[in-house]
Amino acid sequence: EAGVAQSPRYKIIEKRQSVAFWCNPISGHATLYWYQQILGQGPKLLIQFQNNGVVDDSQLPKDRFSAERLKGVDSTLKIQPAKLEDSAVYLCASSLVKGRVIQETQYFGPGTRLLVL
Amino acid sequence: DAKTTQPPSMDCAEGRAANLPCNHSTISGNEYVYWYRQIHSQGPQYIIHGLKNNETNEMASLIITEDRKSSTLILPHATLRDTAVYYCIVRGLYNFNKFYFGSGTKLNVKP
Repeated sequence: EAGVAQSPRYKIIEKRQSVAFWCNPISGHATLYWYQQILGQGPKLLIQFQNNGVVDDSQLPKDRFSAERLKGVDSTLKIQPAKLEDSAVYLCASSLVKGRVIQETQYFGPGTRLLVL
Repeated sequence: DAKTTQPPSMDCAEGRAANLPCNHSTISGNEYVYWYRQIHSQGPQYIIHGLKNNETNEMASLIITEDRKSSTLILPHATLRDTAVYYCIVRGLYNFNKFYFGSGTKLNVKP
């Protein structure tokens, strides 16, 4: 089966610019996650969707970050305006859901590496 | 936020077993222990998970202590391709349970 797709793979922008990342989860996976991974740290969950609804966005900096998952499939994560500290890898993951139970495996995409200058 | 404690790094000789410890003393009864690994420049990859019994799959074995306060991931015959950061995570199975990655253990497999 095809894995989680993300684009672009790399992005360089200047501070105060805006940027958007795209994720296409594995077909049939209802749950989608966006993580931020700063160099040397583990991934930090930014937002979790189930279908097109938000389950958890408690760690999303809502003044500058936004995410949507229209039609419950693809998702976009946007940063506007970007700050230097947003330099990180942005990972998308998806998992299967049966009822309220998430199956154990999260499948991760390759990530988008963002550098803010 | 992370509920687990892991050593920052470990070395292992190629062909030998790699034993990666994890402390999760505050784990609750309905929380599972998951292990993921992240090879350089790739997204994390699922390895194994368990509740209270020991588990084994084609990649690794998971040993959970009887009190469930700690666990060990065992790679029986480490290869150079097992060099990665290994994350131990505890969470419940429901869609409202959060998934916290700590800093993980960097395993260096040496020839």
